[in-house]
Amino acid sequence: LAKTTQPISMDSYEGQEVNITCSHNNIATNDYITWYQQFPSQGPRFIIQGYKTKVTNEVASLFIPADRKSSTLSLPRVSLSDTAVYYCLVGDRRAGTYKYIFGTGTRLKVLA
Amino acid sequence: ETGVTQTPRHLVMGMTNKKSLKCEQHLGHNAMYWYKQSAKKPLELMFVYSLEERVENNSVPSRFSPECPNSSHLFLHLHTLQPEDSALYLCASSQDYSGRGDTQYFGPGTRLTVL
Repeated sequence: LAKTTQPISMDSYEGQEVNITCSHNNIATNDYITWYQQFPSQGPRFIIQGYKTKVTNEVASLFIPADRKSSTLSLPRVSLSDTAVYYCLVGDRRAGTYKYIFGTGTRLKVLA
Repeated sequence: ETGVTQTPRHLVMGMTNKKSLKCEQHLGHNAMYWYKQSAKKPLELMFVYSLEERVENNSVPSRFSPECPNSSHLFLHLHTLQPEDSALYLCASSQDYSGRGDTQYFGPGTRLTVL
């Protein structure tokens, strides 16, 4: 049973780097870790995905340790518009089926 | 239009009404999803279709009935809903349903209110 655990909320100031860690102790061997961003009353938006080590794109970096039991989303120099809920997502395998289960997410508030 | 679109964006219905939510994806994807998001709760996966075949039915009450006539369209038919069904209903699509971190692209959602 793959379950993700994240801090419920975080506050930061504009221009700071924000790191959000997600715990996924039971991640499957071949599963990827995906992070999404959601603004109020909108659908989630894909941010970044990785399997191991480090992945970087134009908006974020994702750090995954060798045991893959956790991952850290890093947002460099956040702005007010980065205020949103951030979800990490892994798969959940039960009895031969596979499904994606979103956790509670981390509510990030960026302050001026 | 590009991406994933959903109509209507807002819907108010009585408990005895029958209505349908529509989702259309313009990405050439093979998998489509319905999620429910209640206030201050995580997204709950309701249904998954892969190549027009339902592959996941996450213990959803029968008053919600999905339909996937082709890989670009997904419907959610609603009948005799309860007030607790009021929520944001989100549609998503992914290239495939491989079980290896399929990147999902979400629509804007339909805000449903059941009176």
